[in-house]
Amino acid sequence: AQSVTQLGSHVSVSEGALVLLRCNYSSSVPPYLFWYVQYPNQGLQLLLKYTSAATLVKGINGFEAEFKKSETSFHLTKPSAHMSDAAEYFCAVKSPSSASKIIFGSGTRLSIRP
Amino acid sequence: KAGVTQTPRYLIKTRGQQVTLSCSPISGHRSVSWYQQTPGQGLQFLFEYFSETQRNKGNFPGRFSGRQFSNSRSEMNVSTLELGDSALYLCASSLGDHNPNTEAFFGQGTRLTVV
Repeated sequence: AQSVTQLGSHVSVSEGALVLLRCNYSSSVPPYLFWYVQYPNQGLQLLLKYTSAATLVKGINGFEAEFKKSETSFHLTKPSAHMSDAAEYFCAVKSPSSASKIIFGSGTRLSIRP
Repeated sequence: KAGVTQTPRYLIKTRGQQVTLSCSPISGHRSVSWYQQTPGQGLQFLFEYFSETQRNKGNFPGRFSGRQFSNSRSEMNVSTLELGDSALYLCASSLGDHNPNTEAFFGQGTRLTVV
């Protein structure tokens, strides 16, 4: 079964520092991978998705993720953190056989220190 | 165009009661999926409706049910509420094609508290 594992339930970085949120997937078939962000008391917003067209995927708000098949990873990065990036981030996967069902990781809460 | 609308935003119910939540998808979207979000279990898929039919189902008891109307609006019902049903219920709207890369758009959720 498809699954994703997020390492670190809470990450804290200083404003202007690099953001790195880790995600590893478990899949025996080419995965459909996504990163979502959730701000307090809000729904989920898609940051980016892996489409197999390129291993480095650029998303909104300056975020990007690199798909590494050899490491079964899809880590999310941002070169310079901003206070407005404070939120919860979810890595997610879909199975080709169930295009509508999104399987989410446990989430990583990102805090930004001034 | 308007986003996904969930009503109500907040709800307080007593154990044993039942509750109905509503979701209006983006115009033109035929698929509506429901998710439960709790601190302990995270985000879990409840079910998906497409063209008024349940097309996919998660691992939840029969107390959780749903339906979809001809205009694609969906309702979710929980009967005999338990304290553990307290959660944020999120609805996601999408075109409903069989492409896993098709984006799902989420509503702001309904926060259900069972007392």
